[in-house]
Amino acid sequence: DARVTQTPRHKVTEMGQEVTMRCQPILGHNTVFWYRQTMMQGLELLAYFRNRAPLDDSGMPKDRFSAEMPDATLATLKIQPSEPRDSAVYFCASGPRAGGLNTGELFFGEGSRLTVL
Amino acid sequence: AQSVTQLGSHVSVSEGALVLLRCNYSSSVPPYLFWYVQYPNQGLQLLLKYTSAATLVKGINGFEAEFKKSETSFHLTKPSAHMSDAAEYFCAVRASGGSEKLVFGKGTKLTVNP
Repeated sequence: DARVTQTPRHKVTEMGQEVTMRCQPILGHNTVFWYRQTMMQGLELLAYFRNRAPLDDSGMPKDRFSAEMPDATLATLKIQPSEPRDSAVYFCASGPRAGGLNTGELFFGEGSRLTVL
Repeated sequence: AQSVTQLGSHVSVSEGALVLLRCNYSSSVPPYLFWYVQYPNQGLQLLLKYTSAATLVKGINGFEAEFKKSETSFHLTKPSAHMSDAAEYFCAVRASGGSEKLVFGKGTKLTVNP
């Protein structure tokens, strides 16, 4: 069945290293989101794409984070350089474009758990 | 701007007891509202959604939620808790203006005691 696929599921890295997380959205979905989940902050929206165009990345630290959609089947979230405070679970979600019968529900991947030492 | 507030970060019930998880929303327009569930080490899964078709919404696993405009609430209930219901539950509202963004509450962790 259709699902959002994220890789890697787990990543342990050292401070200063580059980290790239990948997401394959559900085929046919027009929107892609990156969320970060921590105990302290809960779910935070980092980036939001519609038809591969970035619409909102106001929640993302611009100096070290970047998000892209090279094509409709791949979204990437990159951290360079990584810091211990980036340790979190990063979720990708996709959904159909809102409007008409589409109510805007999102479908989440299983997350990438990042630990930065 | 749309927002949701979940009252109670932790709720504990006995198996077989009523589950009530509270969510209040703030929205300047008729909202789209959602409840998601997250089991340990998994992503979020949609439980149910309100889209103005009916105020009482039934979801998966026996959960339901009632939209009350006068109270700006969308509380989640289940008549009889199962051990398998132990998880974290998130209420969310869709942002206005044609955006697909979902704004999530802080979550409520449900513990079910035997």
